[in-house]
Amino acid sequence: GAVVSQHPSRVICKSGTSVKIECRSLDFQATTMFWYRQFPKQSLMLMATSNEGSKATYEQGVEKDKFLINHASLTLSTLTVTSAHPEDSSFYICSATRDREEKAFFGQGTRLTVV
Amino acid sequence: AQSVTQLGSHVSVSEGALVLLRCNYSSSVPPYLFWYVQYPNQGLQLLLKYTSAATLVKGINGFEAEFKKSETSFHLTKPSAHMSDAAEYFCALSLGYSSASKIIFGSGTRLSIRP
Repeated sequence: GAVVSQHPSRVICKSGTSVKIECRSLDFQATTMFWYRQFPKQSLMLMATSNEGSKATYEQGVEKDKFLINHASLTLSTLTVTSAHPEDSSFYICSATRDREEKAFFGQGTRLTVV
Repeated sequence: AQSVTQLGSHVSVSEGALVLLRCNYSSSVPPYLFWYVQYPNQGLQLLLKYTSAATLVKGINGFEAEFKKSETSFHLTKPSAHMSDAAEYFCALSLGYSSASKIIFGSGTRLSIRP
């Protein structure tokens, strides 16, 4: 089956630094990927839609300059948390769907801790 | 606007007992509905999906869900709970049949299994 791989699974960074999270579709091409954020004991909140070859579409309230998304190829989308602060600490999950399929495949998630 | 409501943030059942996790949705167009399971610090795994075919949907691990349009519900059930079923469960809705379709998640229900 299709697999979406996310890397790293855990990252700890210092406040003020930037962190890049990768999301790869391993056996299919994904023109669209989605980035979610999940706070402890809460649901997944869609942050942005990553579009291959064009700008990402951000959900209301998500700072596009803080959460940079690059979808440079059909199998890779990256989320960069810039100038990270402790309140950015969260679980970030990406997903991708193959064309003509309604089922989304999710990455394993990335636990970001900003200290 | 589309939304998903999960009733009960925490459900606890005894091993071997019936599992019932409730989900109601709101959508102006026929939705696709999903149940996902999430184990700690992991991504999401699809349990089952409804895509306008049979209203009773069977998924993995013995779970099933019934789509009831009149009640706008998509409750998840399992006849006999197993200890390994303890996890977070998310009901989700999608409006599209393409890779660009957003998924809207419910708030999640944590299932605990008592020995």
